[in-house]
Amino acid sequence: DVKVTQSSRYLVKRTGEKVFLECVQDMDHENMFWYRQDPGLGLRLIYFSYDVKMKEKGDIPEGYSVSREKKERFSLILESASTNQTSMYLCASSLRLEGGEKLFFGSGTQLSVL
Amino acid sequence: GESVGLHLPTLSVQEGDNSIINCAYSNSASDYFIWYKQESGKGPQFIIDIRSNMDKRQGQRVTVLLNKTVKHLSLQIAATQPGDSAVYFCAENMYTGNQFYFGTGTSLTVIP
Repeated sequence: DVKVTQSSRYLVKRTGEKVFLECVQDMDHENMFWYRQDPGLGLRLIYFSYDVKMKEKGDIPEGYSVSREKKERFSLILESASTNQTSMYLCASSLRLEGGEKLFFGSGTQLSVL
Repeated sequence: GESVGLHLPTLSVQEGDNSIINCAYSNSASDYFIWYKQESGKGPQFIIDIRSNMDKRQGQRVTVLLNKTVKHLSLQIAATQPGDSAVYFCAENMYTGNQFYFGTGTSLTVIP
């Protein structure tokens, strides 16, 4: 089975702190994604990466950056956390199969910024 | 980004009944669709997918129907069980692209 592992299940940080969210996948997938999930808004794409050291902005990249130094690891960085970044963060990796690209998700990190 | 919406935010069904969850998508160029299930406290889990060259696909107790004319997708769950209680999302994707677009989700509650 594909495994996408997010390092923290719950995280509490203070405004202004630098926050690192880590994600590791074990299936040698090329593409990795970071989403945030908020009630009533669904999943919104923050950043994605289609190769090591490559990154693309998603729909809401402001206030975030990412790092992909190794194929299996994709990190999301909040340079200076703010209260409006309190959210559930979901990492995903994808495999392109015949017929389409399938996303596999981690269990999520619930981040609270106080 | 493109919008993918759901007709009903909540759905309650009796255990053993069939459930139907609907989804409207807006990008006529989308050619690949996935349904995900998200249980409380967990990440979304793949249920079933369908390409645009099909109008129906069946899995174990689940069926996805695609109507490209009206850009509508539905997920049917047969003999709904308490373990089916979750939020269900549809997602659309273009085969040539990396990005997926998700609806806000429908919360399914199964009444024992």
